[in-house]
Amino acid sequence: NAGVTQTPKFQVLKTGQSMTLQCAQDMNHEYMSWYRQDPGMGLRLIHYSVGAGITDQGEVPNGYNVSRSTTEDFPLRLLSAAPSQTSVYFCASSRDSSYNEQFFGPGTRLTVL
Amino acid sequence: GQQLNQSPQSMFIQEGEDVSMNCTSSSIFNTWLWYKQDPGEGPVLLIALYKAGELTSNGRLTAQFGITRKDSFLNISASIPSDVGIYFCAGHPYNFNKFYFGSGTKLNVKP
Repeated sequence: NAGVTQTPKFQVLKTGQSMTLQCAQDMNHEYMSWYRQDPGMGLRLIHYSVGAGITDQGEVPNGYNVSRSTTEDFPLRLLSAAPSQTSVYFCASSRDSSYNEQFFGPGTRLTVL
Repeated sequence: GQQLNQSPQSMFIQEGEDVSMNCTSSSIFNTWLWYKQDPGEGPVLLIALYKAGELTSNGRLTAQFGITRKDSFLNISASIPSDVGIYFCAGHPYNFNKFYFGSGTKLNVKP
């Protein structure tokens, strides 16, 4: 098992550009989520999904879109990048929303100029 | 939204010393989790707590779920250099699908 994989590992964007951060898991987990990590602020939940076709907002959803067309994949889209979105992004998955061990991917470090 | 207050923000200790950190929430949590993050990596789960008052150990690590359901602490005994990293508490409120993370405790261990 590869666990949770994320691509790319690093990305630099200009303000206004769009991009998609990829996340995939091969553990047949129902629950997937996206977090951003900023210095001194821990991890903040952006969006989450309790299963294919179902997504919902977390604490900081503005500026981000998600979709969950398959159990394995949960991409995060930035439609018009802003410098405030400079952060490290982590994708995580768990068996379901009540099974609490979340497995995290290695992260994507995004810089928006 | 939910707030988790984690303290201390950072610690500088000597190898062999014991360490204690804690987390408090503004509301009742159903689950408390403790994670460790190494530089350039994603967080890894250390201990999960599911019942108020529960005390759970994982090697040199011990964590407790507070009886008020609004706090938790993590102890590390006889610290070693590989304990260096950022430790996060996380909580899962009852009937929510969301997890909330504390701001982290950065641990430095001097050999």
